[in-house]
Amino acid sequence: QKEVEQNSGPLSVPEGAIASLNCTYSDRGSQSFFWYRQYSGKSPELIMFIYSNGDKEDGRFTAQLNKASQYVSLLIRDSQPSDSATYLCAVNDGNTPLVFGKGTRLSVIA
Amino acid sequence: GAVVSQHPSRVICKSGTSVKIECRSLDFQATTMFWYRQFPKQSLMLMATSNEGSKATYEQGVEKDKFLINHASLTLSTLTVTSAHPEDSSFYICSATKAGPPTYRTNEQFFGPGTRLTVL
Repeated sequence: QKEVEQNSGPLSVPEGAIASLNCTYSDRGSQSFFWYRQYSGKSPELIMFIYSNGDKEDGRFTAQLNKASQYVSLLIRDSQPSDSATYLCAVNDGNTPLVFGKGTRLSVIA
Repeated sequence: GAVVSQHPSRVICKSGTSVKIECRSLDFQATTMFWYRQFPKQSLMLMATSNEGSKATYEQGVEKDKFLINHASLTLSTLTVTSAHPEDSSFYICSATKAGPPTYRTNEQFFGPGTRLTVL
């Protein structure tokens, strides 16, 4: 069974710090990887997408992918209280639907 | 863009009634639509996958006779909760994937804003 694992948290970081969110996946054939953010009571929204090994930066967000280790991470620099949310890692194994992790709850403390 | 809408955003109904939730892709044709349910402080739970013109595929433990899914066009899927009971109260979210040639973003899911169902 294909699995995506995330630490459920909560991960607490002080405002201005770097938040590091991690995700591992079981299917070595997975092709692309998505990070969604979900605020409480709202639906998920896409914040990052990555498909090649290495880093991909978009503003304060950096996605890192290591296919050999089957590991993808999301770094949030200069964390803000508004970043407090649940972050969902999703993996595309070529089939629908995406395989979602259970999410990591991030709390940024002012 | 890739906008998905849901209607209604919030519904309160009496126990035993049926509730229909609509999911529309507004600016693209959706190959596949998905229905999720989320209870408070819990993770997304996939209920079913639907493709236009064919029967939905339900996840294990989801009653197909209770949660009726109709996917009549490439832009509209509906979920009907039949004979709703208080334990069906939840946040129902749909998502859709775009039709088109395969890319690394194939299977990216675009989420609707969700429908909060409260059954009294």
